[in-house]
Amino acid sequence: DVKVTQSSRYLVKRTGEKVFLECVQDMDHENMFWYRQDPGLGLRLIYFSYDVKMKEKGDIPEGYSVSREKKERFSLILESASTNQTSMYLCASREGLWAGELFFGEGSRLTVL
Amino acid sequence: GENVEQHPSTLSVQEGDSAVIKCTYSDSASNYFPWYKQELGKRPQLIIDIRSNVGEKKDQRIAVTLNKTAKHFSLHITETQPEDSAVYFCAASPPTGYSTLTFGKGTMLLVSP
Repeated sequence: DVKVTQSSRYLVKRTGEKVFLECVQDMDHENMFWYRQDPGLGLRLIYFSYDVKMKEKGDIPEGYSVSREKKERFSLILESASTNQTSMYLCASREGLWAGELFFGEGSRLTVL
Repeated sequence: GENVEQHPSTLSVQEGDSAVIKCTYSDSASNYFPWYKQELGKRPQLIIDIRSNVGEKKDQRIAVTLNKTAKHFSLHITETQPEDSAVYFCAASPPTGYSTLTFGKGTMLLVSP
């Protein structure tokens, strides 16, 4: 079974704090993704990575950065959290770059006060 | 970039009825169309996918049809059961460069006993 594990299920942070969301996958997938899920807006891609140290912007990268120092780990960073970043964040990994099953983590629900 | 429209946003059916969810896409180059199911409080999971060289695909009670000319695809669930209640997301992906999935906004399906 593919496992994608997100380190924090629930976080509460204050405006201006730096936030790290960690994701680890155990299937040696090349490709990893960070999505944001908001009611009525579906799943929107923030960033993705197709190799170690490689990253590409998704549809809504503003206010976020990412890090991929090891193949199995992909981190999402909010340099200065704002209230409009309160959301559910989903990490995913996939073997193929443009097709094939996305395996999602359980999500990290972030509340910024 | 790709744009995926999904309808309806909510769908209520009686157990045993059929349910149909429709999606349209904008990029004629898209050739991979998956459907994900997300039960309440859980991660999205792939339930079926179709590639553009196929017009229809079935897996037990679920089927997906694709009309490339009209740029739309649909999910069909027959003999619905209460456990089919979930949010369903369609997605599309063009095979160009580092292409990624663009998701629809989701359909909440409620199946009443």
